[in-house]
Order: sequence, then structure tokens, then C-alpha cells
Amino acid sequence: AQSVTQLDSHVSVSEGTPVLLRCNYSSSYSPSLFWYVQHPNKGLQLLLKYTSAATLVKGINGFEAEFKKSETSFHLTKPSAHMSDAAEYFCVVSDAFFSGGYNKLIFGAGTRLAVHP
Amino acid sequence: DTEVTQTPKHLVMGMTNKKSLKCEQHMGHRAMYWYKQKAKKPPELMFVYSYEKLSINESVPSRFSPECPNSSLLNLHLHALQPEDSALYLCASSHPDRVNYGYTFGSGTRLTVV
Repeated sequence: AQSVTQLDSHVSVSEGTPVLLRCNYSSSYSPSLFWYVQHPNKGLQLLLKYTSAATLVKGINGFEAEFKKSETSFHLTKPSAHMSDAAEYFCVVSDAFFSGGYNKLIFGAGTRLAVHP
Repeated sequence: DTEVTQTPKHLVMGMTNKKSLKCEQHMGHRAMYWYKQKAKKPPELMFVYSYEKLSINESVPSRFSPECPNSSLLNLHLHALQPEDSALYLCASSHPDRVNYGYTFGSGTRLTVV
């Protein structure tokens, strides 16, 4: 069975400094992995996805993540934080049921990113 | 059109009321999902519809009744809810041939039960 562990429940950075949000996964086969962002009182927006192509994945708003099979990790990074990056971030693994045409997404507990001036 | 639209955005209802949440997408997605999200928690799966048929019910109480009238529309009928049902209800959809591309989520309905 698939599972996801987000190693930090809260991360606080200063504006202009790098961001690192950590995620480890467990999967019995080659996983599909995602990072979603949720701003206060909003829905979830897909930041980026890994689907067994390039291991370094670039997403929106300057975020990127690297899939490391040997470490079972999929950490999210950004070189320079902006105030607008303050939000909740979810690392997600897909539990795919291809025959049914749908899949279940398994969410990590979330990491709240605070950005200070 | 690359959006999932949910209405209403906010809903306050009494415990004896009947109300419905609506979700609509026009991306040709054939899987649609309802999630419930409590404050400071990740979303929890409630229901999955695939090709307009209910595929997954995650042991949701019968006071929540989903409906998928067609491939673009998903409803969640609410009746006799409890205050602990207050939450953000999120709808999502996915393409049947690209299930590993993730979901597209709506912006949610903030439900308050009084």
C-alpha cells in the first residue's frame, strides 16, 4: 500500500531565502507523486507532478521537486521564498486503479509554510 | 475550460435542513470525487464516481447522498447533518486515461451546520 510522510508540520523562512519541504513515500511499485498547495480558505492547486519521466520536476511559481528512488523522497524546493508562498503544502501519492478509470490520492498530513518579511 | 466549478461557495444550514452541493466540469473527465476537509487536516475521500457510476463509498454516513446525473455534473445531497459535519467540501475530477496526472480540484464549499 502507498503512504506519504511529510517530515515537517511547520516550516518558517524569511522572504528571499530558500524553501525546502520534505516528503518521503512508500510504494510497492513505481509511484506517481504530486505536490499540491492550498492557500487559506481555497481549494487545492497542483504545483507539480512526477510520473516516471524526468526525476527533476519543475512546477509553477518557481517550485521544483526531485524524485529520489534510493531515498524514497520527493522534496519540494524553491530558491527564493515570496510572501505569497505562505500556504499549506500537501505531498500526495497516487494509488491508481487503471481498470476503473479512476485513482485514489493519498495525502500527507501537510506542511504549513510561513514566510516572514 | 480547465476548471472545476463548485457552488455555493459558502453554505449555512440547520440540522433539519436539506441542501445540495453542486460540482461541474467540462474537461471531458470521467472520474469525479468528493472530499471532506476539516481545519488543519488533509482532505479525506468520501465518494468516487467513474463513468457516472458510484465506484467508491468510504463508509460515509447516509445523511450524505451523492448523485452523478451526467458526465459533467456531480451533486452531494445533504440531510439531517450534525455540527461536526461542518467542513470544506471539495470536488475534483480526473481524466480516465491519465489517472496518474492527478486531479483538478474545485475551490470548495465551506459548510457550516448550526
